[in-house]
Order: sequence, then structure tokens, then C-alpha cells
Amino acid sequence: DAGITQSPRHKVTETGTPVTLRCHQTENHRYMYWYRQDPGHGLRLIHYSYGVKDTDKGEVSDGYSVSRSKTEDFLLTLESATSSQTSVYFCAISGRGPPDTQYFGPGTRLTVL
Amino acid sequence: TQLLEQSPQFLSIQEGENLTVYCNSSSVFSSLQWYRQEPGEGPVLLVTVVTGGEVKKLKRLTFQFGDARKDSSLHITAAQPGDTGLYLCAGDPVGSSNTGKLIFGQGTTLQVKP
Repeated sequence: DAGITQSPRHKVTETGTPVTLRCHQTENHRYMYWYRQDPGHGLRLIHYSYGVKDTDKGEVSDGYSVSRSKTEDFLLTLESATSSQTSVYFCAISGRGPPDTQYFGPGTRLTVL
Repeated sequence: TQLLEQSPQFLSIQEGENLTVYCNSSSVFSSLQWYRQEPGEGPVLLVTVVTGGEVKKLKRLTFQFGDARKDSSLHITAAQPGDTGLYLCAGDPVGSSNTGKLIFGQGTTLQVKP
């Protein structure tokens, strides 16, 4: 299994509070991704990174920001959480862009009340 | 917006039956991947196809990439309960090279009953 962890694994928070999710990898992969998974929508890309301090938006980036200050860590921040951001969040890594394999973390279940 | 439409969204079959899952788009893809996800876990890659018309077999699973590279299919022969899970197709749109982006379909939930 690829060395990729996510923390926390579960979180319940209230509307309006800031939340940060962490993705940590030990594979030294260049690319890192944040997705959200909701019923009927598959996986939707929030933000991704193609190197340290190099990030770009995905298809559902509104309300989210990211940072990558070192190769192994990719942080996803919800500046002011809303109930629509209740979801399961997955981090993924890959050594190169497609068609390289993306390896997924175990996911973080976030509930915003 | 580039979309990948999967069908069917849900499939419940008996052990031993055959099934096909489809992944269609109006966009052209440089490559297409199929992932399988079990409850509580992240998706795991099953196969990558990169050439139009390509067919790949993985034991009882057969994957095909359409000639025009706009669609793909996954066929499972003699399904087993262990095949139960969420199947996701994901494509790398032409023109997005080096961005690292993948577009995912909405998934097909397969339940194989013993």
C-alpha cells in the first residue's frame, strides 16, 4: 500500500468554524489531490498540487483553500464551514500526471452541523 | 464542463451472472482508468487504457476503450460476491496534459448476492 494518511479520520464541526484536513505521504510523489465524494457524484476534484507551493483549482474549489509547503504534506482548509461541505474527503497522490496511478488515502468523514 | 456518465448507477445481481458497466462522454480522453472502492476505503486502481480500441483483461474483468476514446466499458463474467463495490471510471481529458487532473464518473454500485 502507498504510504498515505489522512487526519482526522472523522470530524464533526459547526457551521462557520474553520476546519483543516491534513494529507501526509511518505512516497515523495509530486502530485497530490483533494477530492470530495458525495452520493450520486462520484469523486469531484477540489484542488490539486503539482509541486511544493504549486497548486491549482479543481471543479468544486469554492469555499476551500489549500497549501503545500513541503512535498509530504497537503492541507485542505475550509475557511468557514457550511452544511453543504458535509462530505467524505479523499486525498490522492501520484508520481506523475495521468495515466499514472492515483493512490488514495482512507478518507475523512466531515459533518458540518 | 467535461463529464463522464456511468450507467447503470446501481446493479444488483446473483452470483454467476455477467454484467457490463458503461462510461460515456462527448469529450475525448488521452487515457481512461477504472477504480474499485469498498465501503470505508479509498478507490483502488484496476486498469488503465490508453489506446483507442484497446481491450484489457484482468481475470474475469474485461475493459475496453472506445475507438474514438470517448467511452469505455467494464464487463464482469460470472460475478462473485467479492466483486461487490463501487466502480468508478476516470478520464484524462485531451488538452489537459501535465495538469494532473482526472474527471471521475459518478460511479456504479454493484451488489452481487450469493
